Amino acid sequence: AQTVTQSQPEMSVQEAETVTLSCTYDTSESDYYLFWYKQPPSRQMILVIRQEAYKQQNATENRFSVNFQKAAKSFSLKISDSQLGDAAMYFCAYGGANSKLTFGKGITLSVRP
Amino acid sequence: NAGVTQTPKFQVLKTGQSMTLQCAQDMNHNSMYWYRQDPGMGLRLIYYSASEGTTDKGEVPNGYNVSRLNKREFSLRLESAAPSQTSVYFCASTSLLGVGSGRPQHFGDGTRLSIL
Repeated sequence: AQTVTQSQPEMSVQEAETVTLSCTYDTSESDYYLFWYKQPPSRQMILVIRQEAYKQQNATENRFSVNFQKAAKSFSLKISDSQLGDAAMYFCAYGGANSKLTFGKGITLSVRP
Repeated sequence: NAGVTQTPKFQVLKTGQSMTLQCAQDMNHNSMYWYRQDPGMGLRLIYYSASEGTTDKGEVPNGYNVSRLNKREFSLRLESAAPSQTSVYFCASTSLLGVGSGRPQHFGDGTRLSIL
């Protein structure tokens, strides 16, 4: 079975600074996808970014980028130029061949003005 | 542009009462899911339906039943609610090829369920 670990329960960042959220996973599959979801206080689950395991190039979406290290099974999210609206809970998730998502426990990000 | 619609948004039950949470999607997705979210636990899969006519247990199925009524609708039933089932419940859907092919899951806005 796949597991996803987010070891930091909370992080804080100064507005306009850069922050990196960590995630590791365990799998025996060779082909899979990894996702970061954002959950603001409104409770919505919003897809931030996704990474294909067979692509070496790290995914980017505007201020959000990932550092994907397949051999180390690491998938961290970097948020550049942090904004107050980035304050939320962030979940790392693994999607494999069985159509199921496995989530980490999440990390609460606060942004200091 | 409704996406995934969950009803109700909030509900308070007494121990032993029954309740059905409704979920409908208008994106022609084949796969649908029910999760529960508890503090410090992330989202845990209760049941899922990979396609119309099939349902399978997830990580935490005890105390729940599901019905895939048609391609659009997937309901979650608590037959005899217990305080341990107090949680936020999310429904999600994705296309046939699923998350293993990069298709993200689309989530409803959740149902906050409190059981006294």
